[in-house]
Amino acid sequence: DIQMTQSPSSLSASIGDTVTITCRASQSISSHLNWYQHKPGKAPKVLIYAASTLEGGVPSRFSGSGSGTDFTLTISSLQPEDFATYYCQQGYSSSFTFGPGTKVDIK
Amino acid sequence: QVLLVQSGAEVKRPGSSVKVSCKASGGTFSSYGITWVRQAPGQGLEWMGGIVPFLDASNYAQKFQGRVTITADKSTNTAYMDLTSLRSEDTAIYYCARDHGCHGGSCPHDFDYWGQGTLVTVSS
Repeated sequence: DIQMTQSPSSLSASIGDTVTITCRASQSISSHLNWYQHKPGKAPKVLIYAASTLEGGVPSRFSGSGSGTDFTLTISSLQPEDFATYYCQQGYSSSFTFGPGTKVDIK
Repeated sequence: QVLLVQSGAEVKRPGSSVKVSCKASGGTFSSYGITWVRQAPGQGLEWMGGIVPFLDASNYAQKFQGRVTITADKSTNTAYMDLTSLRSEDTAIYYCARDHGCHGGSCPHDFDYWGQGTLVTVSS
């Protein structure tokens, strides 16, 4: 299976900050990388698919980049509703895998 | 608007089985995959497996091979996840989600619609 890692595992930030989360795959996954936001008690929500394409209805302060093995999710001007856990997920192999998650909380 | 509605919470004994359903409405059920993801308490998201109803083809994470069976009933637009030999570590919220598959020429297999989650508690 393709292993996914994320860094950092958690971070504290303030409203208005720019936050960057990194995701790395154990082998090349081209651009088959998706990002999700997950809040307690709710279902996960896809933010970005195919590494850099914003899902419909997702604010433009979210952006994604990367290809191959290294990917980045950037949240510009962090808003109160953005405090959550973020996961990357590879859809390259037939056995999909998630990263371990990055928890973003309020400083 | 696609809606996935899952069956209700379950409490199971160790060694038993659980079957969770996921009924889809508002979309073309057979055109996309249905995937199952779980989250144990304090843990991250874990992909378990999925099915493509129009192909009747399923695949599973190696960790769950032999213990999980995912099926789909195209006549009722319902997918099922059957997990056997339950142990306490299987206590989790189980989600179904639609696997979008391909966007144009790229197939990132993003999960764009999710069920509300089903809590399965395994306890003696």
